[in-house]
Amino acid sequence: DTGVSQDPRHKITKRGQNVTFRCDPISEHNRLYWYRQTLGQGPEFLTYFQNEAQLEKSRLLSDRFSAERPKGSFSTLEIQRTEQGDSAMYLCASSFIPTTYEQYFGPGTRLTVT
Amino acid sequence: GDSVTQMEGPVTLSEEAFLTINCTYTATGYPSLFWYVQYPGEGLQLLLKATKADDKGSNKGFEATYRKETTSFHLEKGSVQVSDSAVYFCALSDRQGAQKLVFGQGTRLTINP
Repeated sequence: DTGVSQDPRHKITKRGQNVTFRCDPISEHNRLYWYRQTLGQGPEFLTYFQNEAQLEKSRLLSDRFSAERPKGSFSTLEIQRTEQGDSAMYLCASSFIPTTYEQYFGPGTRLTVT
Repeated sequence: GDSVTQMEGPVTLSEEAFLTINCTYTATGYPSLFWYVQYPGEGLQLLLKATKADDKGSNKGFEATYRKETTSFHLEKGSVQVSDSAVYFCALSDRQGAQKLVFGQGTRLTINP
C-alpha cells in the first residue's frame, strides 16, 4: 500500500489559465475527499465521492471548479479561468466506509496563480 | 454549522516540557474527534482519535480525552521532544453522511533543545 498520491506536487500558472490536479487514493478505498488549505489555516472541505458518485459539494466550490472520479478510482480536480484567490494547497484524502472512517491524506498540490 | 476552535499559536517550548494545546468544538450531533499533525514538508497524518464521550485517544505519547460536557478535546504530552515540532490540527467529523472533516486553524509548535 503506497498511500494517497497527488500529482503534480507544485503548479505555477498565470491568471486565466486552466489547471488539473490528480489524486490516486489508497487502492480499494471507496471514499475520496478534496480539501483546500490556505496559508495559516486548516483545510476546508470542497467535495467528496463515494465510488464514482459525487455526493456533496461545498459552496466554496464555484462553477469554475469541477471534479470527477471515473470508475471510482483516481480523481481529478479542474479549475478553469484561475484567479489569484485560488492559490492554495489542494489536499486529497481517502477512506474506506464502513470498515474504517479514518481519512488518509496525500501530500497535496500547491497551486500558485500569478 | 459545526466548528473547531484551537488555541492560538505559535507555541514554543523547551525539550521535556509539558504540552497542552486546547481545542473546543461546536457540533449539532455527536461527532468523532481527531488530532492531525503536519510535519515540515509532509502531508497531514492522523495522530489520534476518539469516537465517543469519555474516550481517550493516544499515540506517540500524546493523549486527548473527548469531553462532551465541556465540548473539548485538548491535546497533551508529558515530555516533548524536538522531533514533535510541527503544526497540529484539531478536527471533527459527523459519524453519518459525508463524514467530512472540519478543522481548526492549526497550532504551530516549536520545541527548542
